[in-house]
Amino acid sequence: KNEVEQSPQNLTAQEGEFITINCSYSVGISALHWLQQHPGGGIVSLFMLSSGKKKHGRLIATINIQEKHSSLHITASHPRDSAVYICAVISNFGNEKLTFGTGTRLTIIP
Amino acid sequence: DGGITQSPKYLFRKEGQNVTLSCEQNLNHDAMYWYRQDPGQGLRLIYYSQIVNDFQKGDIAEGYSVSREKKESFPLTVTSAQKNPTAFYLCASSTPGQGLKAFFGQGTRLTVV
Repeated sequence: KNEVEQSPQNLTAQEGEFITINCSYSVGISALHWLQQHPGGGIVSLFMLSSGKKKHGRLIATINIQEKHSSLHITASHPRDSAVYICAVISNFGNEKLTFGTGTRLTIIP
Repeated sequence: DGGITQSPKYLFRKEGQNVTLSCEQNLNHDAMYWYRQDPGQGLRLIYYSQIVNDFQKGDIAEGYSVSREKKESFPLTVTSAQKNPTAFYLCASSTPGQGLKAFFGQGTRLTVV
């Protein structure tokens, strides 16, 4: 079992829909990242969370440390949101390395 | 602007040749990482370095080598011993003590023919 599990693996939605991507992890962490990877391959860090909730534009990320779960929400989705969204955790074991989920491929249809 | 630069973006090499991927950062970060991404799989750690002149193997280090002679540079060599070198390679850096914020390069797609 992977230390970081994402769901769904693939998600197709109509423009304007509210999107939720989930991330569950099994290790103790000091922080969690939500990343966006576009078809060209480059990765952009969207959020880093260690507790609570963060909002940036139409994107909202939440984390529940007790339940070892995080969600990424996109409101009023747009075709330009189409990308792979990756959850990554930083363990609290001292080496600070990132462990990545396999990603969620989001496609927004106009 | 500060950031991480990986070069080149696309790289083609013949089987059996060693190839070196460049990663440079001007963020003054202590820690740097190399990850490999294959279709349908999450990014996997190849090597990481938390300080100059020191580095540790990650989960899939076989067939790779690194050096960390300067704080800002962490090149990755894909050797001929790596059985399946064709992949997307991503470099990252982070700075402990400042929220562990991580930054990522744009990646290098290596194709071995």
